[in-house]
Amino acid sequence: DTAVSQTPKYLVTQMGNDKSIKCEQNLGHDTMYWYKQDSKKFLKIMFSYNNKELIINETVPNRFSPKSPDKAHLNLHINSLELGDSAVYFCASSLDGYNTEAFFGQGTRLTVV
Amino acid sequence: AQSVTQLGSHVSVSEGALVLLRCNYSSSVPPYLFWYVQYPNQGLQLLLKYTSAATLVKGINGFEAEFKKSETSFHLTKPSAHMSDAAEYFCAVSDRGYQKVTFGIGTKLQVIP
Repeated sequence: DTAVSQTPKYLVTQMGNDKSIKCEQNLGHDTMYWYKQDSKKFLKIMFSYNNKELIINETVPNRFSPKSPDKAHLNLHINSLELGDSAVYFCASSLDGYNTEAFFGQGTRLTVV
Repeated sequence: AQSVTQLGSHVSVSEGALVLLRCNYSSSVPPYLFWYVQYPNQGLQLLLKYTSAATLVKGINGFEAEFKKSETSFHLTKPSAHMSDAAEYFCAVSDRGYQKVTFGIGTKLQVIP
């Protein structure tokens, strides 16, 4: 059983399109995150949710909108995709967000052409 | 704001040799510190973490790290490199409140047979 699963694994799309990435965790964790890893492997937090409530919202264009229907799911919707959005997006979860281990999904490689 | 600096974006060692990956942190408060490993096309996996108990922390796969407050360092070591250790390694820091983890730029470890 995969602890944190993301779909799709690869996503190729044209500029201007809208796309979503889904994430689910079966660990019973309260906290979920979205991270963006750029082409130089730099990893930066975008959002975190605790029990469906938005806790961290970094300086991310408002074209990016996270949605958490329940504490086991955190989806990422991206409007009007741009070339610079190309990256690997990681979903992660942790027990409660306080110094606990984060479990990462396998990533979604988004390529905007 | 906290940050980490990883010295050396690429490190090469011979199989069986000592692995030393360097990480220095900056934090206005006593931090939590982490080392994560990322294998190709995978998400990140926690190797070890420091949360103010013992300053020498042992992790998985034979890795350990020592927290040195006077040097603001948290270097990762392994006595004998194995081919399977080839991966990207990330040092990370968070403050002691809600976990907003800041990652370093990563160090790619190459193990030469």
